[in-house]
Amino acid sequence: EVQLVESGGGLVKPGGSLRLSCAASGFTFSNAWMSWVRQAPGKGLEWVGRIKSKSDGGTTDYAAPEKGRFTISRDDSKNTLSLQIKSLKTEDTAVYYCTTHSRSGYHRYAYFDNWGQGTLVTVSS
Amino acid sequence: AIQLTQSPSSLSASVGDRVTITCRTSQGISSALAWYQQKPGKPPKLLVYDASSLESGVPSRFSGSGSGTDFTLTISSLQPEDFATYYCQQFNNYFHECTFGQGTKLEIK
Repeated sequence: EVQLVESGGGLVKPGGSLRLSCAASGFTFSNAWMSWVRQAPGKGLEWVGRIKSKSDGGTTDYAAPEKGRFTISRDDSKNTLSLQIKSLKTEDTAVYYCTTHSRSGYHRYAYFDNWGQGTLVTVSS
Repeated sequence: AIQLTQSPSSLSASVGDRVTITCRTSQGISSALAWYQQKPGKPPKLLVYDASSLESGVPSRFSGSGSGTDFTLTISSLQPEDFATYYCQQFNNYFHECTFGQGTKLEIK
């Protein structure tokens, strides 16, 4: 069974930084493309960024507003995905979900088939 | 960036009703669209991918259709567990961007 368990959320002051982690199990993590998706309280879903598997280049892409402040990385030896956020703003307050990219279908890697339960980041003074 | 516009934003319906939610994209995306269901306090769940393919384990009362810029999610006969918020989503691997629709909240009438 696929399991994604996020951790590292909490209360942070504006301007601070935070590192979120996602522990993965139940699948071959090294082969997976992974994304972070966030959801502000009472709002919709917003993609944060993605990291490809190392065999596919290991490259990262980010939603345009997040470029520069967000860094996604992976440790395949520990089956762990990370999201580093710098210069936190109050609008970064959200539940952050770790997701896997589906390999199914014609448009492979275009969808998110497994989600963690999320970790809440609150940015407030 | 490709914009996704869902309609309606909210919808009241009764158990047994047939419900259709639409998602319109600002540019053609072929069939590269997914639908998700999210219940309060839970992560989203993938229902449909490639516009019309049902994810494994999803009840057959759910169906998706469309291509290009206009897509629909249909629930043929609403069940009590279907009351939730639904999102469409596209991921453009060429432009390396992903967007979600704003969501449609389906409530009990």
